[in-house]
Amino acid sequence: DVKVTQSSRYLVKRTGEKVFLECVQDMDHENMFWYRQDPGLGLRLIYFSYDVKMKEKGDIPEGYSVSREKKERFSLILESASTNQTSMYLCASSLRGIYQETQYFGPGTRLLVL
Amino acid sequence: GENVEQHPSTLSVQEGDSAVIKCTYSDSASNYFPWYKQELGKRPQLIIDIRSNVGEKKDQRIAVTLNKTAKHFSLHITETQPEDSAVYFCAASISGNQFYFGTGTSLTVIP
Repeated sequence: DVKVTQSSRYLVKRTGEKVFLECVQDMDHENMFWYRQDPGLGLRLIYFSYDVKMKEKGDIPEGYSVSREKKERFSLILESASTNQTSMYLCASSLRGIYQETQYFGPGTRLLVL
Repeated sequence: GENVEQHPSTLSVQEGDSAVIKCTYSDSASNYFPWYKQELGKRPQLIIDIRSNVGEKKDQRIAVTLNKTAKHFSLHITETQPEDSAVYFCAASISGNQFYFGTGTSLTVIP
């Protein structure tokens, strides 16, 4: 069974703080993704990575950065948290290749920025 | 980039009736279309997917149809049960490299 875990289920931070969200998968997946989920907006892709040290911007990368130093771990960084970054953050992973596209999601981190 | 639209945003059906959720996409290069179910407080989970070389796929009470010409795909749930109540998301992808999600449909099955 694929397991995707995220470092925190709930997080409260202050405006201007640097925030790290971590995601770990145990199935040797090449692809990893960070989404934010907001009511009425669905899931929006922030960044994705298809290999170690590789990253691609998604639809809403502004205010975020990512790090992938090891294959199993993909970190999302909020350089200076703002209140409009209050959201649910979901990590996902998948294999690379046709017929292997299924994404597996982590449980999510609900971030509140005060 | 790709744009995925999903309708309706909310759907209520009587137990035993069918439910249909529709999505359209804009990029003709998209070739993989998964559907996810997200129960309250839980992570999204894949329930069915379809690739562009297939027009229809069925798994027990769930089916997905794809019309590549019209660029739309639909989720059909038959004989709905209360445990089908959840938010459903469609998505479009080019070979799994980047996923574009619809805005979700909140399905309520009334016992």
